[in-house]
Amino acid sequence: QTVVTQEPSFSVSPGGTVTLTCGLSSGSVSTNNFPSWYQQTPGQAPRTLIYSTNTRSSGVPDRFSGSILGNKAALTITGAQADDESHYYCLLYVGSDIWVFGGGTKLTVL
Amino acid sequence: EVQLVESGGGLVQPGGSLRLSCAASGFTFSTYWMHWVRQAPGKGLMWISRITLDGSGTSYADSVKGRFTISRDNAKNTVFLQMNSLRAEDTAVYYCVTGYSGHALGYWGQGTLVTVSS
Repeated sequence: QTVVTQEPSFSVSPGGTVTLTCGLSSGSVSTNNFPSWYQQTPGQAPRTLIYSTNTRSSGVPDRFSGSILGNKAALTITGAQADDESHYYCLLYVGSDIWVFGGGTKLTVL
Repeated sequence: EVQLVESGGGLVQPGGSLRLSCAASGFTFSTYWMHWVRQAPGKGLMWISRITLDGSGTSYADSVKGRFTISRDNAKNTVFLQMNSLRAEDTAVYYCVTGYSGHALGYWGQGTLVTVSS
């Protein structure tokens, strides 16, 4: 069974930079996994931030960026703001028409 | 404006069945894959199923395979999730989501709560 790993929690200071990662139990994450990232605040539906590794969804501020760092997908927030405090989930396409979410990272801005 | 409105959730006993619906508007429904994603109370997101444009291709997470069936009616701009043999661990908010470029998810509904309990 494929497991997608994320840091359970992370903290960043206002104005700071933070990089969240998304790994794969079976090996390295590549662009062929089409990493995407979603933001969810409590009580709300998720919002799509990044798709195809590094493409921002419409309306997403450019302080959010996606990449592959080493063997993981990464979401970097540059100049974090208070309203970036949310849960962040990565999603990987693992082949055979199957997708798997990571467990999510709770980001605190303080 | 894109809208996805889920319905059909509620309380059901273990072993029972429910059929969720998701009515889409504001975009050309027949040109999007559709997915269902769920979120158990206090837990993370879990992808559970996808259907292709004309409904000929479906896929499921192992945990629901054989119990859940996804379908769509492009004439009515609606996607469905038939859930049988429900278990307590199926308790979750179920989200209807469009597919998007590059095997991503795009537009999300607000979700419908399914509670499996005796």
